Amino acid sequence: GAGVSQSPSNKVTEKGKDVELRCDPISGHTALYWYRQSLGQGLEFLIYFQGNSAPDKSGLPSDRFSAERTGGSVSTLTIQRTQQEDSAVYLCASSTQPPGYSGNTIYFGEGSWLTVV
Amino acid sequence: KQEVTQIPAALSVPEGENLVLNCSFTDSAIYNLQWFRQDPGKGLTSLLLIQSSQREQTSGRLNASLDKSSGRSTLYIAASQPGDSATYLCELTNTGNQFYFGTGTSLTVIP
Repeated sequence: GAGVSQSPSNKVTEKGKDVELRCDPISGHTALYWYRQSLGQGLEFLIYFQGNSAPDKSGLPSDRFSAERTGGSVSTLTIQRTQQEDSAVYLCASSTQPPGYSGNTIYFGEGSWLTVV
Repeated sequence: KQEVTQIPAALSVPEGENLVLNCSFTDSAIYNLQWFRQDPGKGLTSLLLIQSSQREQTSGRLNASLDKSSGRSTLYIAASQPGDSATYLCELTNTGNQFYFGTGTSLTVIP
């Protein structure tokens, strides 16, 4: 597809279960980002990948959260032992340039809505 | 469809100067607006979040305003410092929970 693709679009899971969220960035985009937005909150940065490496993991909220990217393309965000406070929309984005470059445009996916019950 | 424009695209100022960054949007049905800075090699850093019902937010040398009726937000930076050099992005979440980023303003503060 032409845009950033995320799956699943909606996920309801029981507290304590693990979930995996997938992101397919735009082809050729070397930078990939994960964010989340909880109800009533702004965007919260989670992790940034440049190629397959993650120079900035500072936003991951706890060690229950992990992410990987393979082949410089698809990324998976994994949340282990989900808690109710993990309920949010998880957004993936990609760009051609690393962050901070003038004129760098970030393209967002439509998000994965996670509800932990 | 929401369109978010930031002017200027690039700005260079001497250290100590006060400056204003502009963000305009076409659809006033927003849930909140957020200003971010983007540094090389880093993800976005949230600076200020303004809810739809608010008019402004302040944090240190930063002040952000929101005028939904005119479709504008401004980010005011007082007494600029070289460490303020970065790309500044405004982002809107609309009432349908869709997210829109502006094109960014690249700021350089000259020592």
